[in-house]
Amino acid sequence: GAVVSQHPSRVICKSGTSVKIECRSLDFQATTMFWYRQFPKQSLMLMATSNEGSKATYEQGVEKDKFLINHASLTLSTLTVTSAHPEDSSFYICSASWPPRSEQFFGPGTRLTVL
Amino acid sequence: DAKTTQPTSMDCAEGRAANLPCNHSTISGNEYVYWYRQIHSQGPQYIIHGLKNNETNEMASLIITEDRKSSTLILPHATLRDTAVYYCIVRVAPGNQFYFGTGTSLTVIP
Repeated sequence: GAVVSQHPSRVICKSGTSVKIECRSLDFQATTMFWYRQFPKQSLMLMATSNEGSKATYEQGVEKDKFLINHASLTLSTLTVTSAHPEDSSFYICSASWPPRSEQFFGPGTRLTVL
Repeated sequence: DAKTTQPTSMDCAEGRAANLPCNHSTISGNEYVYWYRQIHSQGPQYIIHGLKNNETNEMASLIITEDRKSSTLILPHATLRDTAVYYCIVRVAPGNQFYFGTGTSLTVIP
């Protein structure tokens, strides 16, 4: 149980385009979802916390107009990278949790390459 | 910001116990310690978590010091598949956010 999927697993796009990444909880209802970014040989960096039906809370330094997060249902959250640039190339990972479970369950990640 | 510090890397012989330390000296009374591991280019995998008491599950044991300022993750019989980066995380209330530190890169040697 507690499986989280992400789609796509890998995406390549041109600079200036927008890319949407989906995160789904397959066998549970996720009240909270989190989005992380990981650059090569670095640790995961929390970008934002998303509660179902409310606006996401972004970490300091993360541009909310560039990284649009939607959590419209208890099983789906989306991250849209708008006007992507090469420096946005990274590994994007989502996680989900639900009470009373306290641990986060992570998706497999999405590798974004912006040319 | 991460509230944990871990050694950058460790080696362990296959079949031996792997003991991974973590310091979290600024942990608050109601904050839990979580351990995850990440194999290259995959999402982190949950291992174990605890508050005060030592915990054990099918994957590992977690030993938390009495003052809660440090903990140790024990993999009792390391295998080659345990080679990964291990993250010790203090969960931050009330939003339950995880702030990852640098982690320990564990290499299990045949």
